[in-house]
Amino acid sequence: QGHLVESGGGVVQPGGSLRLSCAVSEFTFSRYGMHWVRQAPGKGLQWVAVISSDGTNTYYADPLKGRFTISRDNSKDTLFLQVNDLRTEDTAVYYCARANGAYSYRIESWGQGTLVIVSS
Amino acid sequence: DIEMTQSPSSLSASVGDTVTISCRASHSIAYVSWFQQKPGKAPKVLIYSTSILQSGVSSRFSGSGSWPDFTLTISDLQFEDSATYYCQQTYSPPLTFGGGTRVEIK
Repeated sequence: QGHLVESGGGVVQPGGSLRLSCAVSEFTFSRYGMHWVRQAPGKGLQWVAVISSDGTNTYYADPLKGRFTISRDNSKDTLFLQVNDLRTEDTAVYYCARANGAYSYRIESWGQGTLVIVSS
Repeated sequence: DIEMTQSPSSLSASVGDTVTISCRASHSIAYVSWFQQKPGKAPKVLIYSTSILQSGVSSRFSGSGSWPDFTLTISDLQFEDSATYYCQQTYSPPLTFGGGTRVEIK
């Protein structure tokens, strides 16, 4: 089911921006849809966004629309999440996850996550 | 948006018990997935398409149901089943999760 490694997390000031990356290996990245899911400290899972295998279709959690952008570079086997105007409530572990097909919504495997802390 | 109401939020049971966790969907959906998460770890897929066991997952886990109610059952509970469990509707974006159920082994 492949290997997914997130990066790009860290400490960011409120109002700042961040681009998270998810590098994949051991599967053909361009054949699978991909998700971002986040988890605030001590809280449950929150689905963030999904992108189709070719990048043409994207969907977002309603409260995050406008500040979050999911994208991918199939030539580099990498998924991205651009987050703008960061708020303290965006503090969370951000996971990338693989769907089970090109336009599928079902999550099949997960990365280990990258921690984003929004603090002044 | 489709809301997934998961219950109970926590439970405590003994080794060998059978426990059930429920998710109720606010709108008609066809399928749910179930995940297990241990502290400090990424979630793990247990069940997909409501009742299909993910490869490599113990047969003590099973899923069932149809809209609006879906169920995860853990039979012959073991110490290693201590974790938080989540449902997720995979029918239509936004792909909402339930609030989670923390399972404690007495």
